Amino acid sequence: GAVVSQHPSRVICKSGTSVKIECRSLDFQATTMFWYRQFPKQSLMLMATSNEGSKATYEQGVEKDKFLINHASLTLSTLTVTSAHPEDSSFYICSAARAAGSYNEQFFGPGTRLTVL
Amino acid sequence: AQTVTQSQPEMSVQEAETVTLSCTYDTSESDYYLFWYKQPPSRQMILVIRQEAYKQQNATENRFSVNFQKAAKSFSLKISDSQLGDAAMYFCAYRSAGTGTASKLTFGTGTRLQVTL
Repeated sequence: GAVVSQHPSRVICKSGTSVKIECRSLDFQATTMFWYRQFPKQSLMLMATSNEGSKATYEQGVEKDKFLINHASLTLSTLTVTSAHPEDSSFYICSAARAAGSYNEQFFGPGTRLTVL
Repeated sequence: AQTVTQSQPEMSVQEAETVTLSCTYDTSESDYYLFWYKQPPSRQMILVIRQEAYKQQNATENRFSVNFQKAAKSFSLKISDSQLGDAAMYFCAYRSAGTGTASKLTFGTGTRLQVTL
């Protein structure tokens, strides 16, 4: 159990277009989902935290108008990169938190590699 | 804000030997969780081990164990009987004891572990 999927796994787009990445918790309900960004050979940097039915909380320095996050249900969160540019090329990873008493265990998706030409 | 520091960018160990990866962190909180995650070439994040700060006993998971020194804010990972499949990037991570937004993870910069024959 506790599987998180991401779709697509890879995407290549032209500069100026928008790209949507989906994150789904397949066998549990996730009240909170997290979006991370990972540049090559670097660590994961948290972009934003999304709670079902409410606005996402963005980390300092992350443009909320560029990285639109929607958490419409307890099993789905989406990240839309609007007007993508080559510098947005990166590996995007989501995680979903499953409530277990007072502890929210996080499970990671397999990631999405975005390449902007 | 919490910070996590991994001072070893790369480590190497021979198969069947033991290796220790270092991690220090900074926080003013008294209750929190610490983690070691493994990221193989597939980029899928895999939880290796978790430590709850209020527990004095060091966590162990088969060949993996930690040395948790709360006063020193140190959290090292020991891998015994290293196997070729242990080769990966290892990230130390911190999260607060709360739920929702408070349960976000802060990652260190990672240590790349090579396992040689």
